[in-house]
This record gives sequence, C-alpha cells and structure tokens, in this order.
Amino acid sequence: GQNIDQPTEMTATEGAIVQINCTYQTSGFNGLFWYQQHAGEAPTFLSYNVLDVLEEKGRFSSFLSRSKGYSYLLLKELQMKDSASYLCAVRNNAGNMLTFGGGTRLMVKP
Amino acid sequence: KAGVTQTPRYLIKTRGQQVTLSCSPISGHRSVSWYQQTPGQGLQFLFEYFSETQRNKGNFPGRFSGRQFSNSRSEMNVSTLELGDSALYLCASWEQGVNTEAFFGQGTRLTVV
Repeated sequence: GQNIDQPTEMTATEGAIVQINCTYQTSGFNGLFWYQQHAGEAPTFLSYNVLDVLEEKGRFSSFLSRSKGYSYLLLKELQMKDSASYLCAVRNNAGNMLTFGGGTRLMVKP
Repeated sequence: KAGVTQTPRYLIKTRGQQVTLSCSPISGHRSVSWYQQTPGQGLQFLFEYFSETQRNKGNFPGRFSGRQFSNSRSEMNVSTLELGDSALYLCASWEQGVNTEAFFGQGTRLTVV
C-alpha cells in the first residue's frame, strides 16, 4: 500500500527556519515532490528529488533519503506569506501518478 | 504560455445528477491527471491520461470516469452524484520527460446538495 506521513500543523516565527518532514512507504518510487498550497488556491511546485541530494532553490531546500523513505523541506528566513499548506507527494511508477501526504499547515507568526 | 485552465470554477449540483468537468492543459503537455481534494482525505489521485489513453487509475468507484481528446484537453465525469462527492477537483498537466513536475489548474469547486 501507499503511506505518506507528514505533521498536520506547524507554527514558526517570521525570520526563523522551519523543517517539514515527510516519511513514505510506497510500492515503487520515481521521485518525491513538494508543493505549496495557499488556501483556496492551486498547489504550486516547490521542489523535486529523485536522488539523495540536497536541492536548494532560494530560501527553500529539500532533502531526500531513499534508503530511509524520508524527505524534508527546509524554509529559511520565514516570511508571513509562507503561511500555507505544504504537500509531500511521491510519484510511484513510470506514469505521472502522485500519492500525496495529508499536508502540513504552516502558520508563520510575527 | 497559458497555464492549466479548468472550467467551470464553481458548480452546485443535486444528489443523483451527473456532472462533467473540463481541463485544458498547458500547450504541448500530453499528460493530464485528475485529483480530488477534500478536508478529510486530502489530495487523492483519480486518473491520468496520456495521448488519449488512461494510463493510471486511482481507487474511486466507476461513477468517476474521464477521457482525453486529441488536443490533450480532458474531461472527467461523475454520475449519480453523492453528497460525499463535494470537493475541489484539480487537474494537473505534465510536460513530457523524466524530471518534470505537475502544473495544477485552479480547480473546480463542486458542491452537491
């Protein structure tokens, strides 16, 4: 079966760093994605990992450990606009089927 | 380049009715997948179409169906609507290749009353 776990909610302070973890157990693995979704809006792509490396893109970084079935998304220099849900998703096979975790709702406080 | 376009944005239907939702992918993208998003279940995969063929299917009843046209536009249909079908239906468009990501449309908010 497919199982992707991430914390339901997190709170952090503006300017700080926050790490959102994601663990997965899936039948087949063909990459892990992180998406950001603001309330009432479409998910937008943040990062993609298929190898065990740290991917950095501005204030956002993502790490993957395939042997541990684990990934994290690191957000630096938090801004109020980073308050959103962060979705971890695994692509399972050669097609484009994504299995999503339940999402982590991040609240950034002043 | 225009993004993924879903129509309509909002829809209210009555139990027992059927509904058709439309998705126009980004120009050149041939893969389209559909997701249902609810507060309780999160984002769940419905199906994926590539070059007019269903390539993957999620665990939804047969009341949920879809198709893709030669211009890559896709439609999904839900028959015999139930209250539990109330959700945000998201369409994702994929560029061909290995290291690509899904681009999501704004979704169709379906309310079944």
